[in-house]
Amino acid sequence: GESVGLHLPTLSVQEGDNSIINCAYSNSASDYFIWYKQESGKGPQFIIDIRSNMDKRQGQRVTVLLNKTVKHLSLQIAATQPGDSAVYFCAETAMDSNYQLIWGAGTKLIIKP
Amino acid sequence: DTGVSQDPRHKITKRGQNVTFRCDPISEHNRLYWYRQTLGQGPEFLTYFQNEAQLEKSRLLSDRFSAERPKGSFSTLEIQRTEQGDSAMYLCASSLVWGTQETQYFGPGTRLLVL
Repeated sequence: GESVGLHLPTLSVQEGDNSIINCAYSNSASDYFIWYKQESGKGPQFIIDIRSNMDKRQGQRVTVLLNKTVKHLSLQIAATQPGDSAVYFCAETAMDSNYQLIWGAGTKLIIKP
Repeated sequence: DTGVSQDPRHKITKRGQNVTFRCDPISEHNRLYWYRQTLGQGPEFLTYFQNEAQLEKSRLLSDRFSAERPKGSFSTLEIQRTEQGDSAMYLCASSLVWGTQETQYFGPGTRLLVL
């Protein structure tokens, strides 16, 4: 995955607003994508996934959009809550990499009260 | 709680000592992964098992690191002669490979501090 050192991209959002976190992926052969949420001191937590034959998938308060043309993935969180504060990682997998996860750069989401 | 557990959650050791971490995956999962994560970075792949077979090791995994999964269930990761650069969060994940889809579920991690 990309390395951003200690300076994670940060997104500050007002509580109750919608959040959009973006991710660019690298492998055009990737066919499965996952968003993970990682709170401080915890392991990554699965949020939502999408396969390459889809361009949108919705979960509870979260939506993932996939644009294969530009190799872009986004995570939309509706009505952001304080508990959404975390670092969000996208990950891609592909058959040609034996389905190992390739991690994108994390984005730190900060919720303003 | 994902169902993947790791022990211990925290470990402080002196440089040169050996440490061993344990991971208990979700019981029906056939794959088990070890990752290392440092502050501000995504997890770095170390190694993974399919059942009891260790199928791949990262170039990052020096000879001081060894992992086992003797019965295809729990796994251990041992670091010998620890160095300060080994300080990191060590994450375990498990998955059930189903067709062409695989979702990895992570444990809470073991945070290692080498003094």
